[in-house]
Amino acid sequence: QVQLVESGGGLVKPGGSLRLSCAASGFIFSDYYMSWIRQAPGKGLEWVSYISSSSGYTNYADSVKGRFTISRDNAKNSLYLQVNSLRAEDTAVYYCARENSGSYYGMDVWGQGTTVTVSS
Amino acid sequence: DIQMTQSPSSLSASVGDRVTITCRASQTINNYLNWYQQKPGEAPKLLIYAASSLQSGVPSRFSGSGSGTDFTLTISSLQPEDFATYYCQQGFSARTFGQGTKVEIK
Repeated sequence: QVQLVESGGGLVKPGGSLRLSCAASGFIFSDYYMSWIRQAPGKGLEWVSYISSSSGYTNYADSVKGRFTISRDNAKNSLYLQVNSLRAEDTAVYYCARENSGSYYGMDVWGQGTTVTVSS
Repeated sequence: DIQMTQSPSSLSASVGDRVTITCRASQTINNYLNWYQQKPGEAPKLLIYAASSLQSGVPSRFSGSGSGTDFTLTISSLQPEDFATYYCQQGFSARTFGQGTKVEIK
């Protein structure tokens, strides 16, 4: 079935780094834009970044620009988010999501999320 | 950057009520507007895409309307499983979510 599974979250000190992964299955991964979205504890959804199907286009929220890098490996059906220079305010559940037709048709498949906690 | 403003932030309603949530964009986004439902501890679920199209498998009591800057999500007859938080999201320029509307039991 169509599925996204995130991994790579954990507890990290301020200033630290992590690499989040999202494994896709059940669909042709290389046909779709993909996004990362995060949700801080008790807060709303915040879009973080997207990448085009062939990696030619990327975009980032201002809050993470210059610190986070999105990438993908279509041969491995995998999406990544390299998160550097982490701050307490980056603490959140990070979701990956499939974008149908570059988000015109919405983010129609979501993973279960991976938790990043930034604390000393 | 495009800002998305939802109203109200929360509402209390009873089973069977008609519920309307609005979303306003800071600039025109044509109909690049999607609606999601999120229940505690779960990932969001797409309800409506392109402002007014119902996602496959979503009950027909959910509907969306609007274009340009002003959009509406309507639940025609609230059911017990509809108590959740709802978010709008624009996909016209980068991506932005509204702050959410929590629908609670009256």
